[in-house]
Amino acid sequence: DAKTTQPPSMDCAEGRAANLPCNHSTISGNEYVYWYRQIHSQGPQYIIHGLKNNETNEMASLIITEDRKSSTLILPHATLRDTAVYYCIARNTGTASKLTFGTGTRLQVTL
Amino acid sequence: DTGVSQNPRHKITKRGQNVTFRCDPISEHNRLYWYRQTLGQGPEFLTYFQNEAQLEKSRLLSDRFSAERPKGSFSTLEIQRTEQGDSAMYLCASSLVSGTSIYEQYFGPGTRLTVT
Repeated sequence: DAKTTQPPSMDCAEGRAANLPCNHSTISGNEYVYWYRQIHSQGPQYIIHGLKNNETNEMASLIITEDRKSSTLILPHATLRDTAVYYCIARNTGTASKLTFGTGTRLQVTL
Repeated sequence: DTGVSQNPRHKITKRGQNVTFRCDPISEHNRLYWYRQTLGQGPEFLTYFQNEAQLEKSRLLSDRFSAERPKGSFSTLEIQRTEQGDSAMYLCASSLVSGTSIYEQYFGPGTRLTVT
């Protein structure tokens, strides 16, 4: 799986959009970009994934650049409950099974 | 869908003792994974099962570790002769594999092991 790079920490005011960047410059054509988050003392939670098109679900939006070398996870209206560590993972779902986590971005949502 | 469950949630043991953790995956999921997470780090893959077959083991899984999934449903992870370095959160996840597609993994709450 391609290596991903994320900032170690970010702050966001409650009610504002949180934009979490991820670089994956060595991603291959058949690797998806996955996002998980981990709230303190809980297991990781799946958020969203995409290959090359932008994706949106009830939790977040995923914007992938045209060259696929980077992506942004957007939480449109962050709440205090979104405070967590967010992991960006490049994964070939056809062959790779395991998830390779980095150290992620610690998002702190404040009042 | 009751989610992935793990038991116990917390385990404190003395160095040298054996411990066993249990994971119950989401019922229709045929793939089950074990990960380990130490403080400040992301989870690290240990092993995974496709039904009852153990298909991959990480180098992190020393010979003191053994995992089973005897009937393709729940799984157990046993650590023999525990060491202080085994202190970590042990996470279980499950997913559905259909054809050539591997779907997202759903994680349990983890078992926190403390070796004294």
